[in-house]
Amino acid sequence: GDSVTQMEGPVTLSEEAFLTINCTYTATGYPSLFWYVQYPGEGLQLLLKATKADDKGSNKGFEATYRKETTSFHLEKGSVQVSDSAVYFCALSRNTGNQFYFGTGTSLTVIP
Amino acid sequence: EAGVTQFPSHSVIEKGQTVTLRCDPISGHDNLYWYRRVMGKEIKFLLHFVKESKQDESGMPNNRFLAERTGGTYSTLKVQPAELEDSGVYFCASSQVRVTGYTFGSGTRLTVV
Repeated sequence: GDSVTQMEGPVTLSEEAFLTINCTYTATGYPSLFWYVQYPGEGLQLLLKATKADDKGSNKGFEATYRKETTSFHLEKGSVQVSDSAVYFCALSRNTGNQFYFGTGTSLTVIP
Repeated sequence: EAGVTQFPSHSVIEKGQTVTLRCDPISGHDNLYWYRRVMGKEIKFLLHFVKESKQDESGMPNNRFLAERTGGTYSTLKVQPAELEDSGVYFCASSQVRVTGYTFGSGTRLTVV
């Protein structure tokens, strides 16, 4: 069945460090891929998405590229800020479906 | 536009008790979804309403869970009787057009002791 595997946390980085959170998926067909973020005390927010192979999603300095050959959608940011501290979830959905399949989440703490 | 509202934000109950979670979707959103995150694990789909009808309840863990959506507006998720393994964060989401327009609520953290 469909599933998402993402990097275990927690991750602690210093401000301005480079961030990578790994995400790989298993799915039949060509799913859409997403990164969601949950800031403390808030709901899940869509960070970025990609709907087909080789697409790059980007938002707020974060990027992720849909790699079909490696079934991956790794999240990257060149220089993290304290305000990026949150839990990040990788997810997929089938284009004809109605639900998301989420990873376990990766907690990121950025220290000044 | 108001977002998806869930309450309570936190609930602590004893094993064997009953708890009812509520979700108010964005006005006009026909699709309403419930998800759950058990501590440290992935967020899992529970069920999907289209208006007042259950479209997909394949993720409901067992018959102790009952979801309703009155008149196609707000939804409730009742757990009766609650067990320790029901602890987690319950998320609600709504959309007008399936997965592309999801908006999540901030979740209800349920602790069963």
